Amino acid sequence: DARVTQTPRDKVTEMGQEVTMRCQPILGHNTVFWYRQTMMQGLELLAYFRNRAPLDDSGMPKDRFSAEMPDATLATLKIQPSEPRDSAVYFCASGLSTSGDSYNEQFFGPGTRLTVL
Amino acid sequence: EDKVVQSPLSLVVHEGDTVTLNCSYEVTNFRSLLWYKQEKKAPTFLFMLTSSGIEKKSGRLSSILDKKELFSILNITATQTGDSAIYLCAVGDYKLSFGAGTTVTVRA
Repeated sequence: DARVTQTPRDKVTEMGQEVTMRCQPILGHNTVFWYRQTMMQGLELLAYFRNRAPLDDSGMPKDRFSAEMPDATLATLKIQPSEPRDSAVYFCASGLSTSGDSYNEQFFGPGTRLTVL
Repeated sequence: EDKVVQSPLSLVVHEGDTVTLNCSYEVTNFRSLLWYKQEKKAPTFLFMLTSSGIEKKSGRLSSILDKKELFSILNITATQTGDSAIYLCAVGDYKLSFGAGTTVTVRA
């Protein structure tokens, strides 16, 4: 049963600390997305990778957020330094893009619930 | 700016009822419209629609897209308590814009 995995599932930290969230996409998928979900804003796209290359991170606050794919089985989202307004659920999703900009559905991981005190 | 509007925001029905959820959109780059169901955790995929007028069905759920009028509907017939969830509509190409969702509560 292939699924996207994310760690940690819950994270409570203090303002100013570094937070790293990890995602393992479904094997064989070549696209990875990072989303943030809050009650106020709903689901927002933060970053998008295809074949490990970052194609769009326009939704991400550049001064404190960074996203990388060190290899095809791992995507990371880092916040440094964290702030209380970063408190949200962060979802990773993966999918398969077969040609050009075409893509199929995105499969979501269980999310990381981040609380910054 | 891309816009995806879902209505109603919430509704409460009884088991056996039929519900119809609406999604209207204005996006720069349309490739697909997707419906997701979100219970306690992650959204799970329901349908992807790319062509007008073709109904997608899965059990008691069905959905149709009207690209001329820029909207889609999701129908759930013979609702069950397990259908209680937030239903999300998302539109775009690789960059999906999500609506705020419709919270459906099905009472026994």
